Amino acid sequence: KAGVTQTPRYLIKTRGQQVTLSCSPISGHRSVSWYQQTPGQGLQFLFEYFSETQRNKGNFPGRFSGRQFSNSRSEMNVSTLELGDSALYLCASSIGGQNNQPQHFGDGTRLSIL
Amino acid sequence: AQSVTQLDSHVSVSEGTPVLLRCNYSSSYSPSLFWYVQHPNKGLQLLLKYTSAATLVKGINGFEAEFKKSETSFHLTKPSAHMSDAAEYFCVYMDSNYQLIWGAGTKLIIKP
Repeated sequence: KAGVTQTPRYLIKTRGQQVTLSCSPISGHRSVSWYQQTPGQGLQFLFEYFSETQRNKGNFPGRFSGRQFSNSRSEMNVSTLELGDSALYLCASSIGGQNNQPQHFGDGTRLSIL
Repeated sequence: AQSVTQLDSHVSVSEGTPVLLRCNYSSSYSPSLFWYVQHPNKGLQLLLKYTSAATLVKGINGFEAEFKKSETSFHLTKPSAHMSDAAEYFCVYMDSNYQLIWGAGTKLIIKP
């Protein structure tokens, strides 16, 4: 079974631009979560989507948004990029629903802002 | 409020010696607990999970963890460290609403 796939792996942007990151979950998984990881702040939860609806949201500004499609694939968008948005963005999928099944992670997208 | 504390930000061991990475949680509920590993420039990989079955949980790559309710701990161990174990390890608690609470991570350094 294929794992979680994130594209692109690396991205370089400049301040003020916007970016879209993509995540394809494991087949059959309906929940997709996004995280931002930086050396200073560690792993921070952005949001979770389940059945095309945002189910949970972390404490990030409105510049960070996402969506999920009917095939469970998810995209994350960051507008008006700032230097501080440089990070590893991780996507994780799980079966979803109310259960204690673990999340499975992709290798991430490394975003660098110049 | 629930929380997860990884007691060491860095742990350094020699190759072939035992590994102990400590994790304590704070909760009044029976938790689900996980350990993840992250190698440089990679995503997080699930090592093992505790979901109220056996208290000693075996994971991949020779790791295991013991759930001790009386101590609210879920420490990760391995009898003999390999160079390939050098990575960052995260202890994760799942609360009663199935939300994940992440520890700050422990960097494991393996000395040759």
